[in-house]
Amino acid sequence: DVKVTQSSRYLVKRTGEKVFLECVQDMDHENMFWYRQDPGLGLRLIYFSYDVKMKEKGDIPEGYSVSREKKERFSLILESASTNQTSMYLCASSSGTIQREQYFGPGTRLTVT
Amino acid sequence: QKEVEQNSGPLSVPEGAIASLNCTYSDRGSQSFFWYRQYSGKSPELIMSIYSNGDKEDGRFTAQLNKASQYVSLLIRDSQPSDSATYLCAVKKAAGNKLTFGGGTRVLVKP
Repeated sequence: DVKVTQSSRYLVKRTGEKVFLECVQDMDHENMFWYRQDPGLGLRLIYFSYDVKMKEKGDIPEGYSVSREKKERFSLILESASTNQTSMYLCASSSGTIQREQYFGPGTRLTVT
Repeated sequence: QKEVEQNSGPLSVPEGAIASLNCTYSDRGSQSFFWYRQYSGKSPELIMSIYSNGDKEDGRFTAQLNKASQYVSLLIRDSQPSDSATYLCAVKKAAGNKLTFGGGTRVLVKP
């Protein structure tokens, strides 16, 4: 079974703090993704990575950065957290096969106060 | 026009009936199609994938793909209250590694 884990289920941070969200997958997948999900707005792609040290912007990269130093680990960084970044953050991974089905982690509910 | 469109629902279905969910997509070159189930407060879970025209069955779930008409559907037979969730349609375009997700259809199965 594919397993994608995220460092925290719930996180509360203050405005202006630097926030690190970590994601680890154990299936040797090439591709990893960070999404946020908000009511009425669906899943929105923040960043993704198709290889170690490679990254591409998704639909809403502003205010975020990412790091992928090892194949199994993909980190999302909020440089200076703001209240509009309160959301559910979901990490996903997929293999390099043509089908590209994605498997999701359990999610991190981040609240910025 | 959104790239992947779903009716947001809620789709209310009596227990034991068939739930029918539809999804249309705009990129004619799309290759792979997926259905995810998401319970409230949880992450999406992959339940079906389909790559070629026709039907694919897995237990009580059947996915149907019609590339000429650019739609994919999901049937849930013998619906159970535990099937109450939001179902997300996802499509992989011809190029790239990303999936494009629809907004989801909320399904309510009433006992």
